[in-house]
Amino acid sequence: DAGITQSPRHKVTETGTPVTLRCHQTENHRYMYWYRQDPGHGLRLIHYSYGVKDTDKGEVSDGYSVSRSKTEDFLLTLESATSSQTSVYFCAISGRAATDTQYFGPGTRLTVL
Amino acid sequence: AQTVTQSQPEMSVQEAETVTLSCTYDTSESNYYLFWYKQPPSRQMILVIRQEAYKQQNATENRFSVNFQKAAKSFSLKISDSQLGDTAMYFCAFKPTILNNAGNMLTFGGGTRLMVKP
Repeated sequence: DAGITQSPRHKVTETGTPVTLRCHQTENHRYMYWYRQDPGHGLRLIHYSYGVKDTDKGEVSDGYSVSRSKTEDFLLTLESATSSQTSVYFCAISGRAATDTQYFGPGTRLTVL
Repeated sequence: AQTVTQSQPEMSVQEAETVTLSCTYDTSESNYYLFWYKQPPSRQMILVIRQEAYKQQNATENRFSVNFQKAAKSFSLKISDSQLGDTAMYFCAFKPTILNNAGNMLTFGGGTRLMVKP
């Protein structure tokens, strides 16, 4: 299995509070991604990173920000959590080649009350 | 932009039988990859099989095989000799071949929940 960890694995928080999810990889892969999974929608891309301090928005980026200060860490922040952000969040990594497979972390279940 | 559609939200199959999961996609790209991912109750996303669009031969991995119809933009997954451990959500996903800043970004379908019954 690819070396990807996510923390925390579960979190319950209240509306309006800030939340930060962490993704850590040991594979030294260039690309990192944050997806959210919701019933009927599969996984949708929130933000991605193509290098240290290089990030861009995905399909559903409103209300989220990211940072990548080191190759191995990619942080997802909800500045002011809302109930619509209750979801399962997945981090993924891939190498630089177009043929490289994307590998996923174990996911974080976030509940916003 | 690409879209991926899985028209079967839920399916069931008896153990040892064969089941086919459907996936259609829409793209203007000529070169791309297609994937099937499995998500068991543990929530882990597991790559099952992948297909390069430029290859005419359908990919096969043990009991899993695909029927790739490029002109019809169809990419179905066949599971033979179904096992209880195949019970999971299955996601079809698309990735263009061209590498840009988005790297290997995937576009997913909504998923099919498969139940294998004893």
